[in-house]
Amino acid sequence: QQQVKQSPQSLIVQKGGISIINCAYENTAFDYFPWYQQFPGKGPALLIAIRPDVSEKKEGRFTISFNKSAKQFSLHIMDSQPGDSATYFCAASIWSGNTGKLIFGQGTTLQVKP
Amino acid sequence: GAVVSQHPSRVICKSGTSVKIECRSLDFQATTMFWYRQFPKQSLMLMATSNEGSKATYEQGVEKDKFLINHASLTLSTLTVTSAHPEDSSFYICSATQGLPNTEAFFGQGTRLTVV
Repeated sequence: QQQVKQSPQSLIVQKGGISIINCAYENTAFDYFPWYQQFPGKGPALLIAIRPDVSEKKEGRFTISFNKSAKQFSLHIMDSQPGDSATYFCAASIWSGNTGKLIFGQGTTLQVKP
Repeated sequence: GAVVSQHPSRVICKSGTSVKIECRSLDFQATTMFWYRQFPKQSLMLMATSNEGSKATYEQGVEKDKFLINHASLTLSTLTVTSAHPEDSSFYICSATQGLPNTEAFFGQGTRLTVV
């Protein structure tokens, strides 16, 4: 029940196209949903995050769409660029005791072709 | 965003020796720090959660005696891999938060451990 399922596992998009990555969860106790970008050999970096009381959040070319009733959320990367090629992880935060911890999706490797 | 510094970025050690990895929050007080392990092309696997001044809480299946975690101050946590073996070779990543609900977790740059 604490899983976060992410799809697709890999994605190839042409430069200028839209990249869409989807995540689904079961536990309604999750209260914070961040997306992370990771380049090879580096730690993840926060890209954008959303709380469950909001249906959409946009920051530049990155948009999170959140569907609370369906327990799904997705990342849209508009005008995808070769520099966006990286692995993307969705995550969900759950508060346990006095500590919040992140549950990560399986990751999506994005390749943006020039 | 806040900076979390992890050191070393790469380490090679001989089988049977111990290795210490440091994780420092440079510009904020990290009440809670997390240690993850990541295998190639896989997701981050949470190993343990540490709150400053308390014993770490380990995830199921993680050996406490092999992966020693110390969080002695609000800016420093260490992970010591004791008696390392080749199967401990992996990418280890720490993250730090201020321990408040719905707040961002900041990640270190990771440590590539190779045990030979």
